[in-house]
Amino acid sequence: EVQMVESGGELVQPGGSLRLSCAASGFTLSSFEMNWVRQAPGKGLEWVSYISSSGTTIYYADSVKGRFTISRDNAKNSLYLQMNSLRVEDTALYYCARGWFDSWGLGTLVTVSS
Amino acid sequence: QSVLTQPPSASGTPGQRVTISCSGSSSNVGTKDVYWYQQLPGTAPKLLISRNNQRPSGVPDRFSGSKSGTSASLAISGLRSEDEADYYCATWDDSLRGRVFGGGTKLTVL
Repeated sequence: EVQMVESGGELVQPGGSLRLSCAASGFTLSSFEMNWVRQAPGKGLEWVSYISSSGTTIYYADSVKGRFTISRDNAKNSLYLQMNSLRVEDTALYYCARGWFDSWGLGTLVTVSS
Repeated sequence: QSVLTQPPSASGTPGQRVTISCSGSSSNVGTKDVYWYQQLPGTAPKLLISRNNQRPSGVPDRFSGSKSGTSASLAISGLRSEDEADYYCATWDDSLRGRVFGGGTKLTVL
């Protein structure tokens, strides 16, 4: 069974940093493109970042470019999102999603507040 | 504000057919595949339609997708109470060089 479990979300002050992780199981991570998608409370879905299966191609939404870094460790079946210079508006449930979002984790909550 | 425009709400009665639109431009919907997702309350989204009109295994054939020019549509026939959810379209945008979601449509089954 395909499963993805996100972790690392917590309450952080504006300007702070967090590293999110996504542990994948039930499929070979190295064969798939991966993404981070977020959803602010009561709002719609926002694509955050994409990484190719090999990690050589990466894209970011303009809202996070220069502050967030996506990476992956295929040997550990894991996806990561390093989040720096966090802002109040980054508060959201962060999902990892496979390919064209054909499978999703349950999400991890990031709250940026003083 | 998303580059993909969806109506914020839609509604129908059980058994009816409803459609949800996703309007874009030549840099996204007009030239790229469109995907549709269903998000039931309190749950993660689920892929409903891939590549404009392909239903993944397990998705009922009551759900169908289409695309014409710079607009795409999701149709739900034989509406059921369990279809009450938020629906999102998504695609790639050449101008933004990134993936984009529509703003979402909240479907109410009356």
